[in-house]
Amino acid sequence: QKEVEQNSGPLSVPEGAIASLNCTYSDRGSQSFFWYRQYSGKSPELIMSIYSNGDKEDGRFTAQLNKASQYVSLLIRDSQPSDSATYLCAVNRRSSTLGRLYFGRGTQLTVWP
Amino acid sequence: DAGVIQSPRHEVTEMGQEVTLRCKPISGHDYLFWYRQTMMRGLELLIYFNNNVPIDDSGMPEDRFSAKMPNASFSTLKIQPSEPRDSAVYFCASSGQGTNTEAFFGQGTRLTVV
Repeated sequence: QKEVEQNSGPLSVPEGAIASLNCTYSDRGSQSFFWYRQYSGKSPELIMSIYSNGDKEDGRFTAQLNKASQYVSLLIRDSQPSDSATYLCAVNRRSSTLGRLYFGRGTQLTVWP
Repeated sequence: DAGVIQSPRHEVTEMGQEVTLRCKPISGHDYLFWYRQTMMRGLELLIYFNNNVPIDDSGMPEDRFSAKMPNASFSTLKIQPSEPRDSAVYFCASSGQGTNTEAFFGQGTRLTVV
């Protein structure tokens, strides 16, 4: 079982819709959770971090964490064509592996006008 | 803050040559990571350091790869000799201690070995 798994996509949504990106992780000891956005040919850019169960909202982005289900999600409301990118889920098991981040393979999102 | 700085941005080299990639982490960050990204394998962790000490190098593909961090503000990833299958984008990232565990990436080095 991989450390972090994401729905493989690609995901395609119309402009203005809600895009939902999902991620599961294998280690219950995981403590920190991140979403990165990567445009083609660019480096991953941190867009959200979440550390406790529940929702965390930042503008059009909402991260959701459920540690019991070992599940992290990212919702993008009012999706824009500029949101078209690959979204990477990352998990930090700081307690056991001193800060190492485990990344999923990413979900490619396309928002069409 | 200038962020994580990598050099060079692009490198084209011939098979068998030595390649050195450089990274300057964000000042004050205690962790430094080297990643490699390819279409086939995605983002792979090669090695990471904590306070200049290598913690886990299990991702380093072969003995041809080596990494050093002589001080808190500089790290190198060296490939000697390089092979065409090493062609990829290499990213350096850094993060801090405590609650500041977010990792920030440099712009990457696109390596092409011909």
